[in-house]
Amino acid sequence: EAGVAQSPRYKIIEKRQSVAFWCNPISGHATLYWYQQILGQGPKLLIQFQNNGVVDDSQLPKDRFSAERLKGVDSTLKIQPAKLEDSAVYLCASSFWPLQVGIAKNIQYFGAGTRLSVL
Amino acid sequence: QQQVKQSPQSLIVQKGGISIINCAYENTAFDYFPWYQQFPGKGPALLIAIRPDVSEKKEGRFTISFNKSAKQFSLHIMDSQPGDSATYFCAASGGTGSYQLTFGKGTKLSVIP
Repeated sequence: EAGVAQSPRYKIIEKRQSVAFWCNPISGHATLYWYQQILGQGPKLLIQFQNNGVVDDSQLPKDRFSAERLKGVDSTLKIQPAKLEDSAVYLCASSFWPLQVGIAKNIQYFGAGTRLSVL
Repeated sequence: QQQVKQSPQSLIVQKGGISIINCAYENTAFDYFPWYQQFPGKGPALLIAIRPDVSEKKEGRFTISFNKSAKQFSLHIMDSQPGDSATYFCAASGGTGSYQLTFGKGTKLSVIP
């Protein structure tokens, strides 16, 4: 079974530039998450999709970050314009929905992430 | 507001020793407590998880101990191996319809031969 695919793996941009990250979840996973992982910290949820609808984007800095999941499969996270403090690894995760009896609750499968450096 | 506090930040253990990582949570609505393992350059991967209706769960060399009254849970790695060297994150989720994970800050474990 293929895992969560993310691209690019690395991105270096200057502040005020724009950047986009792409995620392809595990086939059949209806729920998709974007996390921001700053060096030395745990992942922080930015946005959660259920199919192509947003479940929670309360921690997404909407003045500069946007995300979409057209057709309920692939997703794109965009930052425009980038700030120095946006330097982090951006992780995409997916999970199966609906939950089934006997399946552990909310197993999230993570991609390898995109490491963003804003100079 | 950090809802899941993890300690220690880093840990060095001799091969064959026991690694212990602790977490404490505040939100009593949490009802699912997973541990994730992350190797450099990789995303976190689920290691083991527990629900609050049991006090302990063991899978191979990995054990979660859970203390509901103290709102604490811990990961024990028995017979630690160099291949266990990674960063470990505790997490929690819960509440009606809420499956979002809140992560601790992580513990970098180094197992030395």
